[in-house]
Amino acid sequence: IAGITQAPTSQILAAGRRMTLRCTQDMRHNAMYWYRQDLGLGLRLIHYSNTAGTTGKGEVPDGYSVSRANTDDFPLTLASAVPSQTSVYFCASSDIAGTGDYNEQFFGPGTRLTVL
Amino acid sequence: GQNIDQPTEMTATEGAIVQINCTYQTSGFNGLFWYQQHAGEAPTFLSYNVLDGLEEKGRFSSFLSRSKGYSYLLLKELQMKDSASYLCAVVDSNYQLIWGAGTKLIIKP
Repeated sequence: IAGITQAPTSQILAAGRRMTLRCTQDMRHNAMYWYRQDLGLGLRLIHYSNTAGTTGKGEVPDGYSVSRANTDDFPLTLASAVPSQTSVYFCASSDIAGTGDYNEQFFGPGTRLTVL
Repeated sequence: GQNIDQPTEMTATEGAIVQINCTYQTSGFNGLFWYQQHAGEAPTFLSYNVLDGLEEKGRFSSFLSRSKGYSYLLLKELQMKDSASYLCAVVDSNYQLIWGAGTKLIIKP
């Protein structure tokens, strides 16, 4: 694989069900991010991880959890899905330089999630 | 609060020039990105500005004025494939990206 992959591509989920969105990158980037994108709104950060073993909350973390057991994988879990979590979810990664320079984020293809 | 403003939609003609503006009010500033996003696809990087001035990259240029909290993306010699949404994003004091809602650019023949 090259870049970032996400799975599934799309999913229809019943409210109350648990769901894990998968994200894997092969660029050895330190940082990874989960965003949701809703019509008329900008990308909103859910959770992030600056390095393996650490995670942080973004702008809209409620109802979501993440883990970062290794450099490559950053799964996002919805413990009990609700209809307001219907959205397109993008995973992204970047190689934080650590010198104050900020490197671009590379995005996966997205997961379109519908919660009924 | 933090705020990024962009026009919702713009229309331009194939072969012409279009300027997409972005104004921002954020807690701190550590750079500004422009991304392109075609419908149903992921955003892809276009440009990054951290110092005032114009950065030119082929048909696309990006300008930044930090004192005015203002940037623009300039697209020249428009092609039909440039029909997409253009997202402005600012790196804040915590090195998090704050995203605008994006500008949908429609190119007409």
